[in-house]
This record gives sequence, C-alpha cells and structure tokens, in this order.
Amino acid sequence: DTGVSQNPRHKITKRGQNVTFRCDPISEHNRLYWYRQTLGQGPEFLTYFQNEAQLEKSRLLSDRFSAERPKGSFSTLEIQRTEQGDSAMYLCASSPRLARSYNEQFFGPGTRLTVL
Amino acid sequence: AQTVTQSQPEMSVQEAETVTLSCTYDTSENNYYLFWYKQPPSRQMILVIRQEAYKQQNATENRFSVNFQKAAKSFSLKISDSQLGDTAMYFCARGGATNKLIFGTGTLLAVQP
Repeated sequence: DTGVSQNPRHKITKRGQNVTFRCDPISEHNRLYWYRQTLGQGPEFLTYFQNEAQLEKSRLLSDRFSAERPKGSFSTLEIQRTEQGDSAMYLCASSPRLARSYNEQFFGPGTRLTVL
Repeated sequence: AQTVTQSQPEMSVQEAETVTLSCTYDTSENNYYLFWYKQPPSRQMILVIRQEAYKQQNATENRFSVNFQKAAKSFSLKISDSQLGDTAMYFCARGGATNKLIFGTGTLLAVQP
C-alpha cells in the first residue's frame, strides 16, 4: 500500500485548453474525494464517489468540470476550457468503508494546475 | 452556515515549547467528527488527530492533544515539546453525515530552533 497517488504532479496549460488529472486511491478504499485548494486557503470539497457512483457534487464544480470513477478504482477529473481562475492545487483523498460513520480521509500529494 | 474558523493565520514557537492552535466551527448536526490535518511544505496532508463529537474525553496522540469544548464549538490543538519537523500548515476540519470535510483556512506554524 503506497498511499494515494496523483498524476501529473504539475500541469501548466494555456487558457481554453482541456486538462485531465488522475487519482489512484489506496487499495480497497471505496470512497474517493476531490478537493481544490487555492493559495492561502484550506481545501474545498468538489465531489465524492462511493465505488463508481458519484454521490455528491459541490456548487464549485461547474459544467466545465467532470469527474469519473469507472469500475470504482481510479478516478479522473477533467476541466474543459480552462480559465485562469482554475489555477489551484487539486487534491484527491480516499477513505475506507467502516462500520463507524466517521471517514478518515487519506490525501494524495495533489496536482498543481497553472493556467496561463 | 457550516463553517470552520481558524483565527490565527500564523504562529511561532520555540523548539521544545508548547503551542496551542485555535479552531471554532459551526454545525447543525448532532453526530460529527473533528480533525486536525498537517500539511508540510511538501503539501501532502497528514492526519494528526481526530475527535468524535459524542466522546467527552479529549483525544491525544503522543505530543498532540485537543481541547474539545462541544458547547462552545471549539476544538483547539496543543502541541507539546515542539520539534522542527512540526513546522507546517495546520488545518482544522469537520466531517459528518455528508462525508465531505469542511476545512478552515489554516494556521502556519513555525518552530524556531
């Protein structure tokens, strides 16, 4: 178990381009989360999967954002027609299914996106 | 509003001393959980300590302990015997039935040699 991994670690793109990020959760973790963190702020929730089902989406997730988790394993986050305001660190986290309802989330290193 | 507030943007402490980071939160839920996460300069978030709201006993993890005041909706983190490796951004977070975590804006802690 090597922890949550994210690729790429850094992405620089031009405004208007599409980008896709990948997250590989810890094995056997059935819950996967995406957060966005801008400079000087705490992470903000974007969306959440339980297995392959996307169960919750934040208002922050505009129509240009789409997330998938095929087969309930890795997840991808795609941003279409990127804008400079999309520049941020995108964090992925996973958590196991536990009998207790609290969900300790294990975070990946993040993908830093810079939109020029 | 379901918010988490950290009123100390930056803190500094001498090595081996004790420091307390403050956090207040707002929630309408009865069952919820509180967390302190550490984000070192490498930026990977690490869980430091957690507290179940239904437990009255304050959580402790080695040099880290919390002061959980449920009525006041306060959840402070105490770091004893501070070490240089404790230098990081510390985030307070609340989780509950919705599964997502709501984070504060963080406190940047600098441990001075």
